[in-house]
Amino acid sequence: DADVTQTPRNRITKTGKRIMLECSQTKGHDRMYWYRQDPGLGLRLIYYSFDVKDINKGEISDGYSVSRQAQAKFSLSLESAIPNQTALYFCATSDWADSVQETQYFGPGTRLLVL
Amino acid sequence: EDKVVQSPLSLVVHEGDTVTLNCSYEVTNFRSLLWYKQEKKAPTFLFMLTSSGIEKKSGRLSSILDKKELFSILNITATQTGDSAIYLCAVDSNYQLIWGAGTKLIIKP
Repeated sequence: DADVTQTPRNRITKTGKRIMLECSQTKGHDRMYWYRQDPGLGLRLIYYSFDVKDINKGEISDGYSVSRQAQAKFSLSLESAIPNQTALYFCATSDWADSVQETQYFGPGTRLLVL
Repeated sequence: EDKVVQSPLSLVVHEGDTVTLNCSYEVTNFRSLLWYKQEKKAPTFLFMLTSSGIEKKSGRLSSILDKKELFSILNITATQTGDSAIYLCAVDSNYQLIWGAGTKLIIKP
């Protein structure tokens, strides 16, 4: 089984709809992240969480919200989807105990299309 | 503002060639620099660099960091079609990864 899983893998939705992307991990890591990837822009951080009680905004949090339901689960919501939120979304995890390194492990991605 | 810049943005070479990918950075609190390879799916970790002048190697790939000039290079020798991918550079600054836009590498047979 994959260490970091994301559901759904692909999603088409309409403008104004609320959708949720889910991420689960079996790596036992404390830190979890949500990124979006657009062609030519690399990865941009949306939100991150260092533990269940810690949620932080990233570079592009507007229009998004998150929930850290447990150490292993981190969900991303688009409250009212708009077409420029069409992108590839990645969840990632890293280990707090690995204090020197910030190696992140990525899920397979969710491809979202907002019409 | 922290930033990471990769060059070139795209590169097309023939199988067997050697390529050098560049990553320069300006960040407030450098902790490490990481290279990832992204094929069709999620990025996968290649190297982490923390000290200047120490080369990291894995097969035909190698990387080195220059903390004085604020850049890193990723070399791939004897390229193969399977090396075709987007190569991403990221810098850990204050426990957050700042990502470059990536270099799209295409290896022609």
